[in-house]
Amino acid sequence: EVVLTQSPATLSLSPGERATVSCRASQSVSRYLAWYQQKPGQAPRLLIYDASNRATGIPARFSGSGSGTDFTLTISSLEPEDFAVYYCQQRSNWLSFGGGTKVEIK
Amino acid sequence: QITLKESGPTLVKPTQTLTLTCTFSGFSLSTSGVGVGWLRQPPGKAPEWLALIYWDDAKRFSPSLKTRLTITKDTSKNQVVLLMTNMDPVDTATYYCAHTSWTNYFDPWGQGTLVTVSS
Repeated sequence: EVVLTQSPATLSLSPGERATVSCRASQSVSRYLAWYQQKPGQAPRLLIYDASNRATGIPARFSGSGSGTDFTLTISSLEPEDFAVYYCQQRSNWLSFGGGTKVEIK
Repeated sequence: QITLKESGPTLVKPTQTLTLTCTFSGFSLSTSGVGVGWLRQPPGKAPEWLALIYWDDAKRFSPSLKTRLTITKDTSKNQVVLLMTNMDPVDTATYYCAHTSWTNYFDPWGQGTLVTVSS
């Protein structure tokens, strides 16, 4: 089983700031990693797939990078609607999710 | 536009079998490459993948839960059904179904249904 560890658990930032969320895999997942955004009371929404590809309709301020065991989700300039919880998910070895990173307003 | 909606009981007793139905529109489960997955999310925790079924009736199950899960599809009704046996209070969660493909990423998800396991 691949374990995904996200850091930090909570990120306190102001609108307009840059957010960087990390996801580390317990073994290589190549580039088979996705990022999701979840707002309170809503289902997760796919943002990024295969490490760096934005899903349909996702703004360009969201970007993903990494391969192997280390991945990063970057939000270049936080908009008010971006404050949410972010999860990574791998599909290289079965399927698993990270524990989540909450991006909150400072 | 793809939409999915979960339906089933909101409360089940310990040891009972949970039956959830996912009704979808905007795609067909007879189209090559298409799949539907079931996931759950306990309150305040991360999502957990449960099961997948594909257009060709191939099925995949979470190794930790596979002995308790059954997944079936009815292509004519645009439905996927998940059965989970021997329910326990730790199975209390919001259960989601989601569209997927051979990529095994989930997009979009249904709105979810909260299932509470309690006597």
